[in-house]
This record gives sequence, structure tokens and C-alpha cells, in this order.
Amino acid sequence: KNQVEQSPQSLIILEGKNCTLQCNYTVSPFSNLRWYKQDTGRGPVSLTIMTFSENTKSNGRYTATLDADTKQSSLHITASQLSDSASYICVVRAPLQSGGSYIPTFGRGTSLIVHP
Amino acid sequence: SQTIHQWPATLVQPVGSPLSLECTVEGTSNPNLYWYRQAAGRGLQLLFYSVGIGQISSEVPQNLSASRPQDRQFILSSKKLLLSDSGFYLCAWSARQGAGNTIYFGEGSWLTVV
Repeated sequence: KNQVEQSPQSLIILEGKNCTLQCNYTVSPFSNLRWYKQDTGRGPVSLTIMTFSENTKSNGRYTATLDADTKQSSLHITASQLSDSASYICVVRAPLQSGGSYIPTFGRGTSLIVHP
Repeated sequence: SQTIHQWPATLVQPVGSPLSLECTVEGTSNPNLYWYRQAAGRGLQLLFYSVGIGQISSEVPQNLSASRPQDRQFILSSKKLLLSDSGFYLCAWSARQGAGNTIYFGEGSWLTVV
């Protein structure tokens, strides 16, 4: 069964500090991995996408890494800001058995709280 | 540009009452459409997805149903709500072809069944 496990479940850090969120997956075959940011009461928004051949990708203060061999990804947030407080969700894509479309597998997310 | 709208944003319904959540996408054609539910403190659970008009696939057995009467319209329904149906419901879309396509979410609908 395809699974995506995220850790930690929740994290509290002080403004300005760095943090790293982890994502382990068993999805196979693998198409791509995305990190989404979900503010409370809002829909998730995509931060980064990584394919099999990519090891690292940055989007401002967010840097995602991918190790396709160990099936692990991390999201590193640098110099955190209060607006970084949100749930960060790891999403892995694998092809469907039919239809030509792709259904993603969502992790449960890591809840990040940034304190002033 | 593409946009996705879902409504209502919030609703409180008694147990046993019907439900209808509606979602429309603008600015694209032939999208894949999805309904997700997010219970408090839980991850996103895929309920239904659709690759075309009238084509609905269910991921989990439940008392909910979905319909796609038009290419860019996706409706989530229930004939009789249960307390366990409470949660945050998200409609989403992605382009039809390609595994790399971003999933774009609506703003969500908060459902409380009392």
C-alpha cells in the first residue's frame, strides 16, 4: 500500500530559527513529490515539486531535498517568519492502474508554529 | 488564469439532513477533479475523483456521493448526514495529462454535523 509518513507531527520554533521537516514514502512507482503549505482553514498551496532526477530545489527560504533511493524527502525552512506557521504536507504521485491520470498520496502533514 | 470556487464556505447541518457542496473550475478544460476531506488533526483523505463528465471514482466507502454534470462542475452530496461526516472538505483540480501537474485546491468548506 502506498504510504507517506511525515515527521515530526508538530513543531514549535522561534522566529528567525531554521527547521527541517521530514517525509518518508513507500509509493512505487514514483512520479514526483511535492510539498504543500496549508494555512489554517485554507486550501493547500504548492511550494515545490521534485522529480526522480532532482536532489534539491529551492523556493525562497524553502529548500526541498529528495533521495529517491531511500525514498526520503526533507523541507528546510531558513530564517523562519511568523507567516511560516502552517501545516506542511508531503504529496507523492504514482500512476493509476488505468485512465492515464495520476492520484497523489498525501502525508498527514507537519504542523509548524513560529513564535515571536 | 484558472480559478476554483467551492461553496458554501461554512455550514452546520443536523444529523440525517442532506448535503450538497458545489465546486466549479474556470479557465481550463477537461480537468481532473477531486473531493478531499480533512478531519480535525488528520491528513487529507481522497473521497472522489473524476477524469471526465459522468466519470466518478470513489476511494472510500461512505454515505457520500459525487457527481460531475458538466466538465468543470463537481458536486459532493449526501442523502443523510452522519456525525462522522463533520470536517473540512476541499475541492481540487489538476490538468488532465502528466503526473507533474500541480493540484490546485479551493478554499474549502467547513461542515459541522450536529
